[in-house]
Amino acid sequence: GESVGLHLPTLSVQEGDNSIINCAYSNSASDYFIWYKQESGKGPQFIIDIRSNMDKRQGQRVTVLLNKTVKHLSLQIAATQPGDSAVYFCADCCFNKFYFGSGTKLNVKP
Amino acid sequence: NAGVTQTPKFQVLKTGQSMTLQCAQDMNHNSMYWYRQDPGMGLRLIYYSASEGTTDKGEVPNGYNVSRLNKREFSLRLESAAPSQTSVYFCASSEFAGEAFFGQGTRLTVV
Repeated sequence: GESVGLHLPTLSVQEGDNSIINCAYSNSASDYFIWYKQESGKGPQFIIDIRSNMDKRQGQRVTVLLNKTVKHLSLQIAATQPGDSAVYFCADCCFNKFYFGSGTKLNVKP
Repeated sequence: NAGVTQTPKFQVLKTGQSMTLQCAQDMNHNSMYWYRQDPGMGLRLIYYSASEGTTDKGEVPNGYNVSRLNKREFSLRLESAAPSQTSVYFCASSEFAGEAFFGQGTRLTVV
């Protein structure tokens, strides 16, 4: 949607390296953010979320960072694997509606 | 555990035809959504329903209608299909302000 956007449409990384996917949002009222992974031919799948009262949240091999000052969030994937190849979307939620960015395609090179 | 189920998975329509996309969820979620995804783009919200009996427009509602039949089901209707409505349609459900779970999508082509 209009409130989120991504800096890079495609990201290529070597297997085993760390990946960082960035996202900017414009709605200061957004209080909840989610990263989704979408594999080819499938629906988006939840990866990790973060609320606006947090700066960082960690999951299994993934970390989301939120910088409210510059309205920016990032998804870090540690030790990227071939199975991580997909399109990644950030979404922000305000008043029970989710708005998605255009996505970043992550290519993992063996 | 089925999650969110959409039918049909594929559909080809002629311009001017009508059809209804069906969506059902078994997670007892209050909120349900319809999105469309065009090639190389993100998902755009068509309509959503915060609870049974309520529906609201999203970013791109023109040409669509919805019905929240009950807590489980949320249908999307195209009254007179147009080629611009060729897209992949996703239904999703969530608890209020929580993670949304998506169906597998309906691939619609309007010729």
